[in-house]
Amino acid sequence: AQTVTQSQPEMSVQEAETVTLSCTYDTSESDYYLFWYKQPPSRQMILVIRQEAYKQQNATENRFSVNFQKAAKSFSLKISDSQLGDAAMYFCAYRTPFRNEKLTFGTGTRLTIIP
Amino acid sequence: SAVISQKPSRDICQRGTSLTIQCQVDSQVTMMFWYRQQPGQSLTLIATANQGSEATYESGFVIDKFPISRPNLTFSTLTVSNMSPEDSSIYLCSVEGRTSTDTQYFGPGTRLTVL
Repeated sequence: AQTVTQSQPEMSVQEAETVTLSCTYDTSESDYYLFWYKQPPSRQMILVIRQEAYKQQNATENRFSVNFQKAAKSFSLKISDSQLGDAAMYFCAYRTPFRNEKLTFGTGTRLTIIP
Repeated sequence: SAVISQKPSRDICQRGTSLTIQCQVDSQVTMMFWYRQQPGQSLTLIATANQGSEATYESGFVIDKFPISRPNLTFSTLTVSNMSPEDSSIYLCSVEGRTSTDTQYFGPGTRLTVL
């Protein structure tokens, strides 16, 4: 079974600085999808970024980028120029390449932004 | 992405009662997913609901406790039956995107407190 591990329960970063959140996963599949979701206090789960395992290029979305290391089964999220609105729980998630399959989530990292 | 609404947004219920949560999507989707997020925890899939067939439940979740209906391609309900304080959680529904079918989008969640 696939597992997703986030080893940092809490992180904090100064506003405008850069922070990296860690995620590792375990799978025997060669093709899959990885995601980072953000959950602010409003509890809405918001997609931050997605990565397709067969693509070697790391995904980027504005201030958010990933470092995808397939051999190491590592998928870290880098947030540049941190803003107060980035404060939230961040969940790493895995999905197989097949449609209508569930997401397997990590335990989350609570990110605090220090003004 | 899909626009998903849930009702109610929150509720406080008495032990032994049942609550039905509604999930409405702005477009037709094949599969809808129901997740549970216990306080301070990650998301766990309860079941997947395909229109016109019985829901498929994950290990640890049973139909008698969490009956699901899926009467059409834009709507689903999850009932939490015979509630106990351990059922206090956020319940979220999600669907795959129309164009990005590898990505799941989430409703705003229903915060349930059982006294």
